[in-house]
Amino acid sequence: DAGVIQSPRHEVTEMGQEVTLRCKPISGHDYLFWYRQTMMRGLELLIYFNNNVPIDDSGMPEDRFSAKMPNASFSTLKIQPSEPRDSAVYFCASTSTGRRYEKLFFGSGTQLSVL
Amino acid sequence: DQQVKQNSPSLSVQEGRISILNCDYTNSMFDYFLWYKKYPAEGPTFLISISSIKDKNEDGRFTVFLNKSAKHLSLHIVPSQPGDSAVYFCAASKNGNKLVFGAGTILRVKS
Repeated sequence: DAGVIQSPRHEVTEMGQEVTLRCKPISGHDYLFWYRQTMMRGLELLIYFNNNVPIDDSGMPEDRFSAKMPNASFSTLKIQPSEPRDSAVYFCASTSTGRRYEKLFFGSGTQLSVL
Repeated sequence: DQQVKQNSPSLSVQEGRISILNCDYTNSMFDYFLWYKKYPAEGPTFLISISSIKDKNEDGRFTVFLNKSAKHLSLHIVPSQPGDSAVYFCAASKNGNKLVFGAGTILRVKS
């Protein structure tokens, strides 16, 4: 079991550029979550999907953020245009119905720096 | 509006002693609480949980206590080991809904 795979591990970009973060959930998991970690606010839920359908995107900070899940094995989080305040660690996590919270598996995260 | 608060950004404890990490919440509808542990450059991993119908749950060296009237939970680690040094996140949910996390507490266990 490879676990949740995120890419890239680090991303450095300039303000105004488009950023795309990628996630491959654990095979068989039907829930996928995108979180953002900052020093002040800890782990914030941005959006989550169930069976590839977005269920709750109320945590997405602005229209500059968008997320897609075209199939059960891939999801993207896009920021366009990026701003310095978007700098954070972005985590993807997946789990399966029935044991949703005890078995929330996180990827290693993408460290995003917007200059 | 942070519904889950971890007011201590960091905690330092001597190896072999007890570590107590605290968490407060504001939403009385939360019915399930969890602790996650995070090492540098890794994602958080599940540690221990407790349902609102209980006031204590124990797993080896880790015990979580829940005080519903005070809207407070704590994680006790006894005895603390250097490998326990990590960031600990408190989290809560209601009705099987999305998890709300706190800001985290950095635990350092000194040998």
